[in-house]
Amino acid sequence: EDQVTQSPEALRLQEGESSSLNCSYTVSGLRGLFWYRQDPGKGPEFLFTLYSAGEEKEKERLKATLTKKESFLHITAPKPEDSATYLCAVRFTGGGNKLTFGTGTQLKVEL
Amino acid sequence: DAGVTQSPTHLIKTRGQQVTLRCSPKSGHDTVSWYQQALGQGPQFIFQYYEEEERQRGNFPDRFSGHQFPNYSSELNVNALLLGDSALYLCASSLGHSAERYTFGSGTRLTVV
Repeated sequence: EDQVTQSPEALRLQEGESSSLNCSYTVSGLRGLFWYRQDPGKGPEFLFTLYSAGEEKEKERLKATLTKKESFLHITAPKPEDSATYLCAVRFTGGGNKLTFGTGTQLKVEL
Repeated sequence: DAGVTQSPTHLIKTRGQQVTLRCSPKSGHDTVSWYQQALGQGPQFIFQYYEEEERQRGNFPDRFSGHQFPNYSSELNVNALLLGDSALYLCASSLGHSAERYTFGSGTRLTVV
C-alpha cells in the first residue's frame, strides 16, 4: 500500500538548535515529493518539490533532501517563527494528480 | 493578488443535514482540488476539478460531490452529514491539473453535531 510516514510527530527545539525532520515513503514510482508548512488555522504553504534521489533544495533556514526511500527537511539555527506543522506529500505513478500526505511533524522553537 | 478564498470560514451543522462549501481559486489558476483534514491528520484528497469536470476522485463516498463553474470557482457538497465529517476542508488551486505547485486556501472548519 502506498504510504507516507513522518517522524517525529512532535519536536521541541531551542532557538539556534538545528535538527532534521524525516519523511519516509513506500510508493510505486515517485513523481514528486512535496514539503508544506502549515500554521494553526491556515492552509498548507508550499515549500519545496523534489523529484529524484540526490536532489536538494534550500530556502532560508530550510533545506530539503531526497533519497530513494525518504526525504529530510533540515532546519538550521531555527527561530521561533519557524514553529509550525511541516507536512510531507507525494505524487506517485498510478495515483493521478492527487497528493498523498503524511500526518506531519509539529515543530515548536523556543527562545 | 488574492490567493485562494474559501467560504464560510466556520460552520456548525446537525447530523443528516447537507452543506455546501465554496472556493474561489487564485487569479490565473484553472484547477481546483478539495482535501479533508481531520484534527491531527494530514489532508486527504477528495476530488479534483478541471475544465468543469471531475477529473479524479479519492476514496470518499458519493455523499461528497462537487462542481466547477466557468469562472473556475468550485463548490463542495456533502449530503447526509455524519459526525465523522467534522474536519477542516481545504481547497487548493493550480494552473493545470498536474501542476507542481498548489496554492491552498485557509479552509472551512465544519463541525457536525
